[in-house]
Amino acid sequence: GENVEQHPSTLSVQEGDSAVIKCTYSDSASNYFPWYKQELGKRPQLIIDIRSNVGEKKDQRIAVTLNKTAKHFSLHITETQPEDSAVYFCAAEEGFKTIFGAGTRLFVKA
Amino acid sequence: GAVVSQHPSWVICKSGTSVKIECRSLDFQATTMFWYRQFPKQSLMLMATSNEGSKATYEQGVEKDKFLINHASLTLSTLTVTSAHPEDSSFYICSAPDSTVGLKKVFFGQGTRLTVV
Repeated sequence: GENVEQHPSTLSVQEGDSAVIKCTYSDSASNYFPWYKQELGKRPQLIIDIRSNVGEKKDQRIAVTLNKTAKHFSLHITETQPEDSAVYFCAAEEGFKTIFGAGTRLFVKA
Repeated sequence: GAVVSQHPSWVICKSGTSVKIECRSLDFQATTMFWYRQFPKQSLMLMATSNEGSKATYEQGVEKDKFLINHASLTLSTLTVTSAHPEDSSFYICSAPDSTVGLKKVFFGQGTRLTVV
């Protein structure tokens, strides 16, 4: 089955700096790659997603890139703000079954 | 927009008892729903796929006799944790795909925090 690896597990940045989280997946049949932000005790919140027929997608300060050949995808957050502090999960989805990465705890220091 | 509602939001039960968690799609039909478990500071781990009108499909290592799943209608799936023990204490969350949405997105319930004492 699908296996998603995510790095780093913890990331600390200064406010205004950029943050990058990287993931790899194993199943070439996966065709949809969402990124979620999760606050303690709450449901994952979709922040951006990318489909396998696209290499890059941007939404304001957030961008995601996908390299299908290498089975890599990354999340880029620019101009980070304290409210960006949370746990972020990458995921790979095939047929609506979502397999999550281990998560990255992002700390943005003011 | 599409909403998935989970009930209860939290539950405390005694060791050895059973607990039922409901997952409802409120404004769309879902022939398939998914159940996840999340231990503190860990990721969401897929437990099983709930299929309307047929048996659930369990992921490797998940005991089907302990985690009973019933998908009796197109809007409701239930997860029953039988003979719960403290190690079953976790955050349980369901998801359901809405095929009527243009790009067929998955929506998550708000989760259920189970504490077994």
